[in-house]
Amino acid sequence: GNSVTQMEGPVTLSEEAFLTINCTYTATGYPSLFWYVQYPGEGLQLLLKATKADDKGSNKGFEATYRKETTSFHLEKGSVQVSDSAVYFCALGSPFQKLVFGTGTRLLVSP
Amino acid sequence: GAGVSQSPSNKVTEKGKDVELRCDPISGHTALYWYRQSLGQGLEFLIYFQGNSAPDKSGLPSDRFSAERTGGSVSTLTIQRTQQEDSAVYLCASSLGRQGFTEAFFGQGTRLTVV
Repeated sequence: GNSVTQMEGPVTLSEEAFLTINCTYTATGYPSLFWYVQYPGEGLQLLLKATKADDKGSNKGFEATYRKETTSFHLEKGSVQVSDSAVYFCALGSPFQKLVFGTGTRLLVSP
Repeated sequence: GAGVSQSPSNKVTEKGKDVELRCDPISGHTALYWYRQSLGQGLEFLIYFQGNSAPDKSGLPSDRFSAERTGGSVSTLTIQRTQQEDSAVYLCASSLGRQGFTEAFFGQGTRLTVV
């Protein structure tokens, strides 16, 4: 079945550092890939998505590229801010199948 | 409404009591999910409804947990004989469920505390 593996946290960075959170997946067919973010005390919200190979999703300075050859969808940001501190979830969706989430990666950004 | 609505937002119950949690999905969304999130933890899948298909109940932790979805819209998650380990935030999400539209939109959750 479909599955998602993402790097364990927490990831601790200083402000303006470069961020990478790794995500790899296993799936049949052609799934869509997502990154969700959960800020402290809030619900989950969609951060970005990509629906086919080589697509790049981007939002709020974050980017992720759908790489079919490496089955990866790594999240990157060139310069993180304290306000980016949150838990990030990688997810995979196939039509008419349940959305599958990774275990989440906590990001802590210090001033 | 414009988003996924869950009620109540907070629920405190005594151990052994039954509770019902409600989810109103986005209008037109055929897929509906329930997840559980314990403090500081990830998402634990509970159940998935897709249209008129039989629900995927593979994540329900025990037979004390059940869920139904009436008329393809509102869903209720019922926990019978609550235990302290049931304390968590229960999240509902919905999606269009069609090809190419699989992203889910989450409600704010119901925080359940069993005392």
